[in-house]
Amino acid sequence: EVQLLESGGDLVQPGGSLRLSCAASGFTFSSYAMSWVRQAPGEGLEWVSAISGSGTSAHYADSVKGRFTISRDNSKNTVYLHMNSLRADDTAVYYCARSVSGWYSFAYWGQGTLVTVSS
Amino acid sequence: QSVLTQPPSASGTPGQRVTISCSGSSSNVGSNSVTWYQHLPGTAPKLLVYSDHQRPSGVPDRFSVSKSGTSASLAIGGLQSEDEADYYCAAWDDSLNGVVFGGGTKLTVL
Repeated sequence: EVQLLESGGDLVQPGGSLRLSCAASGFTFSSYAMSWVRQAPGEGLEWVSAISGSGTSAHYADSVKGRFTISRDNSKNTVYLHMNSLRADDTAVYYCARSVSGWYSFAYWGQGTLVTVSS
Repeated sequence: QSVLTQPPSASGTPGQRVTISCSGSSSNVGSNSVTWYQHLPGTAPKLLVYSDHQRPSGVPDRFSVSKSGTSASLAIGGLQSEDEADYYCAAWDDSLNGVVFGGGTKLTVL
């Protein structure tokens, strides 16, 4: 059974940093691209970033480019989202997701972790 | 402002057929497959359709899709109360080099 378990969400001040983790199990982790998708309070889903199975290729939404970095450790079956220069509009539930194939048909999702950016 | 445009709301009565539209451009819907998600508040989104028309196992064939040019639509037939949820379309955007979502459509079963 595919399982994705996010952690690391917290309350952080504007301008601060945070690292989210997503521990995966139940599949061959290195064979799949992984993504982060977020949902701000009262808003819709927003794709944040994706990384290839090997970790050699990554993509970012314009809203986080230059501030967020996605990485993965295939030996630990874990994908990370390093978030810097956090802003109030980064406040959201962050979901880790795995696609059926390719980059974006997200068949498997974690339960989400809440990031709150506030002073 | 979402790259893909969906109506903010839709409604229908049990048994009815409801359609939700998703309008994009040549760099996303027009050139890449569309995925559809169902999202209930407080839960993880659920994949309904991918690769334009593939349904994961367990998704009933009441959910069907169509696509023409830069627009796609999700049709839900035989509407049931448990279909009340938010629905999102998504696609890869070649210009942005990333995934774009629609703003979501809140479906109400009257």
